[in-house]
Amino acid sequence: GENVEQHPSTLSVQEGDSAVIKCTYSDSASNYFPWYKQELGKGPQLIIDIRSNVGEKKDQRIAVTLNKTAKHFSLHITETQPEDSAVYFCAASTSWESSASKIIFGSGTRLSIRP
Amino acid sequence: DGGITQSPKYLFRKEGQNVTLSCEQNLNHDAMYWYRQDPGQGLRLIYYSQIVNDFQKGDIAEGYSVSREKKESFPLTVTSAQKNPTAFYLCASSIVIGGRATGQFFGPGTRLTVL
Repeated sequence: GENVEQHPSTLSVQEGDSAVIKCTYSDSASNYFPWYKQELGKGPQLIIDIRSNVGEKKDQRIAVTLNKTAKHFSLHITETQPEDSAVYFCAASTSWESSASKIIFGSGTRLSIRP
Repeated sequence: DGGITQSPKYLFRKEGQNVTLSCEQNLNHDAMYWYRQDPGQGLRLIYYSQIVNDFQKGDIAEGYSVSREKKESFPLTVTSAQKNPTAFYLCASSIVIGGRATGQFFGPGTRLTVL
């Protein structure tokens, strides 16, 4: 079945430095790649997404890149701040023909920002 | 405010009892989902529903049941047949626009503990 692998499982960076989280997917038909941020005791929050017809997308300090050939996609956070500390999940989706989209999640990366 | 609500936030149950978790959304989304999250792990799909009065099993449906009598509501029942029900349960919804999937929007979650 489809699989999404995410690395690293934990990441600690100095405040102000950049953080990079990498994911690979197995289903070449995947065409939508959202990233979620989950704070302790809360539900995941969609922070950025990218579609297969785009190689890169940026939103302020957050950017995502996609390499369809290699089936890799990455999340980049620049100028990290304490509030960036959370668990981040990557995901891959193959749009269903109907109204639902099945999303396969990575196992998560716990990001800690050191003051 | 538009969003997804889950209740209760914390739920305790005695072993052998069924319990129902509530999920309501006012986003006018067609599709709704239930996920289970165990400590330090990603999200696993329990059930999903594309439309009212229709739902499909996800990857770990055994011991769970759902109903979708209204577009806004997708309650999950954890039955006594679920062997290890203690977990964090997340409800989500999504919409497809122009044939393209959007990200799933999550509720705040319900933490179920079986005593």
